[in-house]
Amino acid sequence: DGGITQSPKYLFRKEGQNVTLSCEQNLNHDAMYWYRQDPGQGLRLIYYSQIVNDFQKGDIAEGYSVSREKKESFPLTVTSAQKNPTAFYLCASSAGNEQYFGPGTRLTVT
Amino acid sequence: SQQGEEDPQALSIQEGENATMNCSYKTSINNLQWYRQNSGRGLVHLILIRSNEREKHSGRLRVTLDTSKKSSSLLITASRAADTASYFCALRGSGGGADGLTFGKGTHLIIQP
Repeated sequence: DGGITQSPKYLFRKEGQNVTLSCEQNLNHDAMYWYRQDPGQGLRLIYYSQIVNDFQKGDIAEGYSVSREKKESFPLTVTSAQKNPTAFYLCASSAGNEQYFGPGTRLTVT
Repeated sequence: SQQGEEDPQALSIQEGENATMNCSYKTSINNLQWYRQNSGRGLVHLILIRSNEREKHSGRLRVTLDTSKKSSSLLITASRAADTASYFCALRGSGGGADGLTFGKGTHLIIQP
């Protein structure tokens, strides 16, 4: 089955801890993206990567970091510097215009 | 980056009726896409319309684009309970590139059985 997976589905962390969200795709897509969604809101772009070993900041990159060591994987780390980390995080990949989304990870930080 | 704005924010109709939602934007675009999101899930691509196109159809979906008014509409005909979801328009700016899409806040559609 081709697709994009995110794990875990739900994640709970204490304030001050870094946490890494996983995103894996087997669609052979070059481009991958991380978005954040808050209740009743649209998606906001955190980071994107157009090719392995390269990535760019999106609109709300502060407090987040990423790596792109493999084409299939684009993990997102939510650092303790992110002031409001509780949100729904969506990963996507693309080979052109259309984006394919994973099921999302709901992160709760208390 | 610019953001599309959907209207209405929420819409509740009876099963079998048609649902229309709109998206307005402010700057030039390369294409405009519509996505659906079921509660707590990822987004699913529905349809893409390019800036030089005026109308596209896909099954029960009809999308129009008016670049002079900078607006698009999504029509879902003969709605079903399974169409209950949030619908987002997403913009690809005219600069092109793979730098992500800009999403609006969405229209939450409820189909009453």
